Amino acid sequence: SAVISQKPSRDICQRGTSLTIQCQVDSQVTMMFWYRQQPGQSLTLIATANQGSEATYESGFVIDKFPISRPNLTFSTLTVSNMSPEDSSIYLCSVPGTGGAEQYFGPGTRLTVT
Amino acid sequence: GENVEQHPSTLSVQEGDSAVIKCTYSDSASNYFPWYKQELGKRPQLIIDIRSNVGEKKDQRIAVTLNKTAKHFSLHITETQPEDSAVYFCAASINTSGSGGSYIPTFGRGTSLIVHP
Repeated sequence: SAVISQKPSRDICQRGTSLTIQCQVDSQVTMMFWYRQQPGQSLTLIATANQGSEATYESGFVIDKFPISRPNLTFSTLTVSNMSPEDSSIYLCSVPGTGGAEQYFGPGTRLTVT
Repeated sequence: GENVEQHPSTLSVQEGDSAVIKCTYSDSASNYFPWYKQELGKRPQLIIDIRSNVGEKKDQRIAVTLNKTAKHFSLHITETQPEDSAVYFCAASINTSGSGGSYIPTFGRGTSLIVHP
């Protein structure tokens, strides 16, 4: 499976500010996914990021709030903009495995908004 | 869209007992069903998966069964150990051509499994 890293691992941010989360993979992948996991909850897909095209957002998530960049096949960023306490969550990136179906997750970024 | 229901939300067993977690899905087009284990403070990790052309799959103490007609699938853990304690998520995935052939999973709400020594 791919080795996936995320930065930062955690952060505490003020309301109204923005945070950019980085996801780095040790191999080239076509698709990268961004998830949100609120405390004690399941995993919710925010968007799918293809290299060289606009990200595809799931219902309830918009580009103005969660802009995504995908400059190459090993890297992506997710920005959480104009944060409020409701954005406090763990944000995880994931990539498909070699079989194409399974997903492997990064270690996550624990965000607390005060 | 797909809807995945998972039960129970919490499961408490004694070490050595078996544990069963059940999931149902709504979209008959779903064709890939992974299970993830998430230990406290860690990332979700794939532990077993099954495709829609298979009814059962085993890997040591873990097995998954799929009933396509009833649209439900289950995770079975035998001879549970304290290190099996974690949150388990089921998911149902559809291969969407619009996303370059990737499988987009919909996750269940999770089951917190507690194995008492």
